[in-house]
Amino acid sequence: QTVVTQEPSLTVSPGGTVTLTCASSTGTVTSDYYPNWFQQKPGQALRALIFSTNKIHSWTPARFSGSLLGGKAALTMSGVQPEDEAEYYCLLYYDGAWVFGGGTKLTVL
Amino acid sequence: EVQVVESGGGLVQPGGSLKLSCAASGFTFSDSGIHWARQASGKGLEWVGHIRSKANNYATAYGASVKGRFTISRDDSKNTAYLQMNSLKTEDTAVYYCSRHLETIDYWGQGTLVTVSS
Repeated sequence: QTVVTQEPSLTVSPGGTVTLTCASSTGTVTSDYYPNWFQQKPGQALRALIFSTNKIHSWTPARFSGSLLGGKAALTMSGVQPEDEAEYYCLLYYDGAWVFGGGTKLTVL
Repeated sequence: EVQVVESGGGLVQPGGSLKLSCAASGFTFSDSGIHWARQASGKGLEWVGHIRSKANNYATAYGASVKGRFTISRDDSKNTAYLQMNSLKTEDTAVYYCSRHLETIDYWGQGTLVTVSS
């Protein structure tokens, strides 16, 4: 069974930069996996941030960007704001099916 | 305004069945795919499955843990997708979410809680 791995938790200072990664048990993540990134806050609907590796939605703040880094999908936040404290999930495509990563709890402290 | 709203959750006994609905508005539902995902309390998200549009032959795909037990369908005349869950297990207890997939997977609902317990 395919496993998608994210850092369980990360901490960043306000105004800082942080990169979250998303690895696949099948090997190198490429654009063919159409990496998506989502933000989840308590009591709120899941919010889409990034699709197809590095494309942003109209509502995605400019401080969020997606890329491929060292064989993984990556979500980078530059100039982190207190409101960015949340759980972040990646989602990868595998030949007809999708798999979520385990999520990264981001603390802004 | 784009909206997807889940309903139909509740308490069901192990081995039982339940059918969830995902009602959509604010966009051309028939052009869109619909995904289902779930989240057990305190746990991460799990992709459950999806159904594609008529243009893509209503193709479906499912996650390994629900394959053979869950079925996704849709009624484009009602702008609604469904998740039929059979042979439910206690580990299926979770909040179930739906989302649309129209070029991208973007709008998600607030979810509906399914509890499988005797």
